[in-house]
Amino acid sequence: EPEVTQTPSHQVTQMGQEVILRCVPISNHLYFYWYRQILGQKVEFLVSFYNNEISEKSEIFDDQFSVERPDGSNFTLKIRSTKLEDSAMYFCASRSPDSGNTIYFGEGSWLTVV
Amino acid sequence: GNSVTQMEGPVTLSEEAFLTINCTYTATGYPSLFWYVQYPGEGLQLLLKATKADDKGSNKGFEATYRKETTSFHLEKGSVQVSDSAVYFCALSDPGRGSTLGRLYFGRGTQLTVWP
Repeated sequence: EPEVTQTPSHQVTQMGQEVILRCVPISNHLYFYWYRQILGQKVEFLVSFYNNEISEKSEIFDDQFSVERPDGSNFTLKIRSTKLEDSAMYFCASRSPDSGNTIYFGEGSWLTVV
Repeated sequence: GNSVTQMEGPVTLSEEAFLTINCTYTATGYPSLFWYVQYPGEGLQLLLKATKADDKGSNKGFEATYRKETTSFHLEKGSVQVSDSAVYFCALSDPGRGSTLGRLYFGRGTQLTVWP
């Protein structure tokens, strides 16, 4: 069964460093998302991406965050200058126009900022 | 606005016990409702969904009925197994338009542990 894959599964980084989280969505999907879950808290929407541009972003997704689909298969989330409070599990997700409103998630990338 | 309130955990049950995890929602339109499950060390998996009032979603013995009158989507299973131990998330999909369709609003998650 096709799945969303994410790398790395776990990354530890120092405060102030840049981090890139990578995702390979399901191949025929056109809508892409990043969510995050801080330990013990809700899963929160960060951003959605369609047709090579951001279609919606939350208040969490400030100027230190960016997304890109550089080569037609990967979908990346960049955090420019990480803060301690960016420590969280980051989930990539994708959706097909044919799957209605069902979103498929990856296994997550656990980011620890020290 | 859109929000989901989910029963606080953790929930601990013996095998074959009956499970209910409560979920209520607030939405501006007519949302679709979902239950996602996260097994230890894994990502979020869609468990079941319902797209309109009175729909019942079901999968792997789990069921949930979309109740518009009570704005609820409670998850139930008649006889849980050890392998059902996981975190369960209730979510709603904002009935937006175009590419905003699909943004999910999640509850906090309920940890279920089933003992043999």
